[in-house]
Amino acid sequence: DGGITQSPKYLFRKEGQNVTLSCEQNLNHDAMYWYRQDPGQGLRLIYYSQIVNDFQKGDIAEGYSVSREKKESFPLTVTSAQKNPTAFYLCASSDGGGSADTQYFGPGTRLTVL
Amino acid sequence: QKEVEQNSGPLSVPEGAIASLNCTYSDRGSQSFFWYRQYSGKSPELIMFIYSNGDKEDGRFTAQLNKASQYVSLLIRDSQPSDSATYLCAVSYNTDKLIFGTGTRLQVFP
Repeated sequence: DGGITQSPKYLFRKEGQNVTLSCEQNLNHDAMYWYRQDPGQGLRLIYYSQIVNDFQKGDIAEGYSVSREKKESFPLTVTSAQKNPTAFYLCASSDGGGSADTQYFGPGTRLTVL
Repeated sequence: QKEVEQNSGPLSVPEGAIASLNCTYSDRGSQSFFWYRQYSGKSPELIMFIYSNGDKEDGRFTAQLNKASQYVSLLIRDSQPSDSATYLCAVSYNTDKLIFGTGTRLQVFP
């Protein structure tokens, strides 16, 4: 089955720890995205990548880092510099370009800081 | 600052009625428009997209786009309790990024 997987589904972090959220897709999509969703709010873009070995900051990149070493993988690290990391994290991918910019989402990771 | 506005709701409609969800956007250069459905605790799933002025129908769903007035709407005919969810409007002004509204919560009661 083609799709986007995220792991873990739930993640608990102690203050001061870095944690890495996994996102993998087998849709052969070029572009991948990370969003954060807080209760009652829309999705806010953290980072995105249109091609392997390249990525750009989104609207709320501070305290986060990413890598894109493989087309199918786009892990997100939530660093200790992120002051309020408790949120629902969503990874998405798209073909990119022209009319094929529809984004499809993974199931999400819910991060809680203890 | 590019913005996408939605009424947070809840919008309550009886089963079998038409639910009308609206979205306005600020950037006239916006090119693509998307509606996603998000059940509580789940990730958004694409319902449909629209690029051109007018209506686009897919089953019980119709998306309507009016670029001159900068709004896009989603109509759900024969609403079912299973349609109860938050509906997110998203707008693309280039092929790189989407801007999401905060969503409208729809409640369909039997």
